Amino acid sequence: NAGVTQTPKFRILKIGQSMTLQCTQDMNHNYMYWYRQDPGMGLKLIYYSVGAGITDKGEVPNGYNVSRSTTEDFPLRLELAAPSQTSVYFCASKGTSGDYEQYFGPGTRLTVT
Amino acid sequence: GESVGLHLPTLSVQEGDNSIINCAYSNSASDYFIWYKQESGKGPQFIIDIRSNMDKRQGQRVTVLLNKTVKHLSLQIAATQPGDSAVYFCAENIRGGGNKLTFGTGTQLKVEL
Repeated sequence: NAGVTQTPKFRILKIGQSMTLQCTQDMNHNYMYWYRQDPGMGLKLIYYSVGAGITDKGEVPNGYNVSRSTTEDFPLRLELAAPSQTSVYFCASKGTSGDYEQYFGPGTRLTVT
Repeated sequence: GESVGLHLPTLSVQEGDNSIINCAYSNSASDYFIWYKQESGKGPQFIIDIRSNMDKRQGQRVTVLLNKTVKHLSLQIAATQPGDSAVYFCAENIRGGGNKLTFGTGTQLKVEL
């Protein structure tokens, strides 16, 4: 299993541009999450999904959108990039067993200038 | 709102010594806790977890202690090695919170040779 994969690893955007951060997991996990991590800070939840076709807002959803058309994929969309969205973005997934461990991807480092 | 926080942002230890990383939480409904390790440029990696009906759990060189009376947990790393240098996060699951983890800010562990 590759686990959770994210693309791209790095990206530089100009203000106002849009992009999609890709996330795929091959563990057949129902739950998927998007976090952002600012320098020296913890993880803040942007959006999450409890299964295909179901998404919900997390703590910091403004400026982002998500979709979950399949179990495997959970892309994160930035429509009008702003400097405040400069961050490292992590995708994670979790199965439906009794524990709450989330499995994380390697992250995407995004800079908006 | 209630959140998970860490006491020490940076901890420096000598190689071979034991490390103790602390975490405070404030939500009485927290029923599960995880410690994650994040190396530079990588996603968080699961270390150990503990449920709220336990006081202690041991893994390989790591022990987590949970004190529900004062809402405090700690991660103890025995015989700290250079490879233990990383940022350590505690995260909590709040019962009824929808399978979402709340992360603390993190503690940077530096192992000195």
